[in-house]
Formats: sequence, structure tokens, C-alpha cells
Amino acid sequence: EIVLTQSPGTLSLSPGERATLSCRASQSVSSNFLAWYQQKPGQAPRLLIYGASRRATGIPDRFSGSGSGTDFTLTISRLEPEDFAVYHCQQYGSMWTFGQGTKVEIK
Amino acid sequence: QVQLVESGGGVVQPGRSLRLSCAASGFTFGDYAMHWVRQAPGKGLEWLAVISYDGTHQYYADSVKGRFTISRDNSKTTLYLQLNSLRPEDTAVYYCARGGEQWRPAYFDYWGQGILVTVSS
Repeated sequence: EIVLTQSPGTLSLSPGERATLSCRASQSVSSNFLAWYQQKPGQAPRLLIYGASRRATGIPDRFSGSGSGTDFTLTISRLEPEDFAVYHCQQYGSMWTFGQGTKVEIK
Repeated sequence: QVQLVESGGGVVQPGRSLRLSCAASGFTFGDYAMHWVRQAPGKGLEWLAVISYDGTHQYYADSVKGRFTISRDNSKTTLYLQLNSLRPEDTAVYYCARGGEQWRPAYFDYWGQGILVTVSS
């Protein structure tokens, strides 16, 4: 099983700042089959990024994904108030596993 | 528009069973693999099970293998999860999610709203 480790656990930032979230895999993720989801309290996760760097339909371009192999990054270029949430990475190249999540909170 | 609506949750005693349903609409249900994912209170997401588009293949996380069973009825466009021998640690919000077309590796592009299962005496 591929284990995904997200860091940091919590990121405290102000609106307008840049957020950089990390997702590290215990082994290489096949074909960069890595996705990112956003989850707000009481809501289901929402797909942001798939294939490590492809934005899902309707996702603003301030969200970007990068990385390959075992190291992946989600970047939010300028935080909007609605971006404060929990972010999960997921690999889908070898069955399916999720990271433990990173909370982006208002500083 | 794609909709996934879970039902069947509630409070159940340890050792008892429950069946969750996920009613799908807005897409050709029989073309897609479907998944169940859960989230314990204050915790991260845990993938549980997948079923192929035609129901012929199922795979499970080790944590639920032998206790949970995923199934589908394409004529009713409904996904199911049978939960047996429930434990307090199975308390969570359970989500159904759409996977990939046919049997391709894929992310989850649509999710249900989730249904709470509480295992407690």
C-alpha cells in the first residue's frame, strides 16, 4: 500500500498570501496518478487537481499542482477567503489511498 | 447534473449490521466504477471499497475486508455497502464517489453528501 504523508498538518496564513502544501508518497506514484481535494466543514470533498497538475472543471487558476514520482505540491497563489479549508491528496495508481490532510486556516 | 445521494445511515449497536445505499443520477451509471470512502470524526479520508462498472470486480481496504460488501444494481442506478459486525471504530461519515469509466485508474470526480453511521451501545 502506498502511504501518503501530507505536510504541514496546519498552515496558518492570511488572505492574499501564497499557500504551499506538500504530499509525499512512500513509493513512486504510477503515471503521476495523484489528485487533490478541498473539503470544507460539513461538506463532501471537491476535486481540485488530477494527474498531479490538471485542474478539474471550474477550478480557479490560482490552484496549481506539480510534482512527480514521490513528491507532489499543491499551490494556492493568492488565498481567497473561501480557500480556507482542509486539503487532501490521493493516489489512484495503485489502488486508492489518501493523505491525512492539511488544514489551511486564517492567521 | 450528476447526483449521488446516500441513505441508510443511523445509530447501530456494536456487532449489528447496516446497509447503505447511494442513488445515482445524471450520468450513465453502468459505465463507471464506484467507490465508498469514510471519514471518522475529526479524521482524514479512508478509502474502503470499489466495484467495477459491471459489478464483476470488487476490492476492499484491509480494515473492512470480510466485514463490508460493496454491490450495485445498474438497473436501479444504485450502489450499496453492506456493513456487518460493526465496531465503534466504524463510526464515520460514509461517502459514495464516482470513479473512472470502465476499469481505468481514476480519481473521484463526484461525491455524495455523506451519511453518518454511529456505532454505539
